Formats: sequence, C-alpha cells, structure tokens
Amino acid sequence: AQSVTQLDSQVPVFEEAPVELRCNYSSSVSVYLFWYVQYPNQGLQLLLKYLSGSTLVKGINGFEAEFNKSQTSFHLRKPSVHISDTAEYFCAVNDYNKLIFGAGTRLAVHP
Amino acid sequence: DTGVSQNPRHKITKRGQNVTFRCDPISEHNRLYWYRQTLGQGPEFLTYFQNEAQLEKSRLLSDRFSAERPKGSFSTLEIQRTEQGDSAMYLCASSVGQGFDYTFGSGTRLTVV
Repeated sequence: AQSVTQLDSQVPVFEEAPVELRCNYSSSVSVYLFWYVQYPNQGLQLLLKYLSGSTLVKGINGFEAEFNKSQTSFHLRKPSVHISDTAEYFCAVNDYNKLIFGAGTRLAVHP
Repeated sequence: DTGVSQNPRHKITKRGQNVTFRCDPISEHNRLYWYRQTLGQGPEFLTYFQNEAQLEKSRLLSDRFSAERPKGSFSTLEIQRTEQGDSAMYLCASSVGQGFDYTFGSGTRLTVV
C-alpha cells in the first residue's frame, strides 16, 4: 500500500519569504500525487496534481511542486508567501480508488 | 452546481447515541468517498461508492459504521453507539469516472461527549 510522509509538522515563515513544504511517498510503479490546502473548519481544496508529463507542476495561488522519481519526493514551493497562505497543507497519493494523505504541514505566515 | 454539500456542519451527541450524516455530491459525479479526519491528522479513507455500489471499505469502518448510497446520488454515513473516539471531522468527496478531480465537501464535525 502507498504511504506519504510530510517531513515537517509546522513551518513558520515571514510574509514575502519563500517556502518549501516537503513530501515523500512510498515508491510504486506509477504514482499520482496531489497537494491540498485546508483552511480552518473547511474542506480540502486542490492546489495542484501530478499525473504524468512535466515534473514541474504549477497550481493555484502561485504554488508549484516538483515530482522527483529518484528521490520519491513531491515538494511544494512558493517564492513569496502571503498572510492568507496560513493554513494546513496535505500531500496525497492515489492508491487505486482512494487518496492516501500525509499528516499535514501547518504553514504559519507571520507579518 | 454548488459543489459537494454535507449536512449537518456540526453535530454534538452523547456517547451511545446514533448519528447520521448526509453528503450530496456533484450531480454528474458517479464516485463518492467518505474520509475521517481527527485533530492534527490527515484524512483517512473510510469507504467508496461507484454509483450505488459500495466497492471498498477500510478496516477503520467498524461494524458500528454503515454507509449507503441508495440511488447513486446522495449518501449517508451512520454511526451507531457513538464513542468518544468517534469525535472527528467526516469529509465527503466525489469524482467522475477514472478522473482524479476529487471535490471535497466542507465536512461534518462530530463531537461525542
């Protein structure tokens, strides 16, 4: 079965600084990878996904992620964060007919 | 279409009571999923429907839990004899075909006191 490890439970960062949220997955023949964002008391919103093709995936709100098969990683990046990016971020991998999520990374953006 | 709708948004119940949650997926989505999210954790898969057929259940779905999707549209998740450990956010998601465009609802937060 697939598994996902998010290496940082919390990431504090100052506004307008760059940020990277790390995600590693268990290796498989083929993987489909996702990043979701969750604001307090809300559901999950898709930021971006990797299904195939270019290893650099661009998503909403200025986020991007790079699929690295040799390192089994799918790290999320943003060059300049805003206060409004404060939220919980989840990395997920598709396992047949369901998503397997990591434990999440809380991004706290400070002024 | 307003997306995936879940009701109620919040539910407080006493230990031992039964509760039922409802999920209305996006109308053209034939696949429906239930996940449970406890505090500080990522969502965990509970069960999955394709149309009205329940095709997969997690071992997390004990015999106190039952889910239905009688006409392939809305779904209900019932928890019998609730326990404090059932306190969590219950998320519903839907998708269409083999696609990977999952749309999540806002969830039902259950508190068992």
